[in-house]
Amino acid sequence: DAEITQSPRHKITETGRQVTLACHQTWNHNNMFWYRQDLGHGLRLIHYSYGVQDTNKGEVSDGYSVSRSNTEDLPLTLESAASSQTSVYFCASSALLAGGGEQFFGPGTRLTVL
Amino acid sequence: DQQVKQNSPSLSVQEGRISILNCDYTNSMFDYFLWYKKYPAEGPTFLISISSIKDKNEDGRFTVFLNKSAKHLSLHIVPSQPGDSAVYFCAASAPRGNNDMRFGAGTRLTVKP
Repeated sequence: DAEITQSPRHKITETGRQVTLACHQTWNHNNMFWYRQDLGHGLRLIHYSYGVQDTNKGEVSDGYSVSRSNTEDLPLTLESAASSQTSVYFCASSALLAGGGEQFFGPGTRLTVL
Repeated sequence: DQQVKQNSPSLSVQEGRISILNCDYTNSMFDYFLWYKKYPAEGPTFLISISSIKDKNEDGRFTVFLNKSAKHLSLHIVPSQPGDSAVYFCAASAPRGNNDMRFGAGTRLTVKP
């Protein structure tokens, strides 16, 4: 069965360190997204990609970067981790571009920045 | 600014009764609305959606109603079951695509046996 996986599931790091969260999907979807979930805010879009070599900033992109070298993977990098980036991070993918359409989410990565 | 609002952080209902979860939005460009369900330690999963050309969509025990003039949608679950206990997120997207999808803060539903 097709799926979307994230690793690690839990990560503790220190302020100032670079951290990379992995996301891998086997749906063969062109569209991939990274969200963060914080209490009271729901899910907020960090970065998204509509295909290989395409990346775009979302609502809360400061301090984060992504790269898309193949269809299956969209790693999220925190260049210099800050305590404000402590959150649960979800990766998602979708097939449809316009007009909405469901996104398929990974299980999430809980990141703690000390 | 929160363009999608779920004003009730939690809701508790008795098994077998109706659960009604509400969602309001401010952006009139939104034309597609979705509900996601999330269990602890899992990612959200798609539940049901509705296009702005409709005012109702039904899937089994789940029905979503859309009132465009009020910029309001609601999710009805009838009858509610203990397994429905989860956090429900409302989401809305504009015609430009998924990058304009905005999520509400979520409502935690507890269905008591």
